Amino acid sequence: QQQVKQSPQSLIVQKGGISIINCAYENTAFDYFPWYQQFPGKGPALLIAIRPDVSEKKEGRFTISFNKSAKQFSLHIMDSQPGDSATYFCAATVRGGGADGLTFGKGTHLIIQP
Amino acid sequence: DVKVTQSSRYLVKRTGEKVFLECVQDMDHENMFWYRQDPGLGLRLIYFSYDVKMKEKGDIPEGYSVSREKKERFSLILESASTNQTSMYLCATTESNTGELFFGEGSRLTVL
Repeated sequence: QQQVKQSPQSLIVQKGGISIINCAYENTAFDYFPWYQQFPGKGPALLIAIRPDVSEKKEGRFTISFNKSAKQFSLHIMDSQPGDSATYFCAATVRGGGADGLTFGKGTHLIIQP
Repeated sequence: DVKVTQSSRYLVKRTGEKVFLECVQDMDHENMFWYRQDPGLGLRLIYFSYDVKMKEKGDIPEGYSVSREKKERFSLILESASTNQTSMYLCATTESNTGELFFGEGSRLTVL
């Protein structure tokens, strides 16, 4: 059973455009939703995270939108740049439940065309 | 900054060989993890450890074992490598149960 569904699997966006990656979850106990960014040849790194008590969190050009009733959350990258080209993973967990409970989406390969 | 070092970045092994993947962290974190990354399948947890000499199975432990003799070192062992274990292996660590993992750069294993 896939607890976090991520789409699309791959995405091509023109420089300056908005990149949008969507995730949906099933477990209503999840209360922490991080996004990881992975560049080629590197390990994933935490990009931004949100808790369900807020509907949006913004850090620079990166914004997480959260819809608790729909059990969905998404990553928006505004003014996308070629340097944003990477694989993005959404994840979900229960805080305090142990990092082994972190459930990842299958990833989105994002390419920003110059 | 947390540093997670995976000593072998690229390995090529033959079917049936025993493979050791080493991971060392320098931040005194108690929790360490081994993930496997495959295209289209994302990150899958193999084993994790919350303390020295402690280990717990993740989602896909079959064909793997681990060793944690020291707090800073967590090793993944493939007793008899098979071609379906060709993959990218990622070690990670975390200080607390926050969901923030710090990953190494990965070990890409090819089994021929």
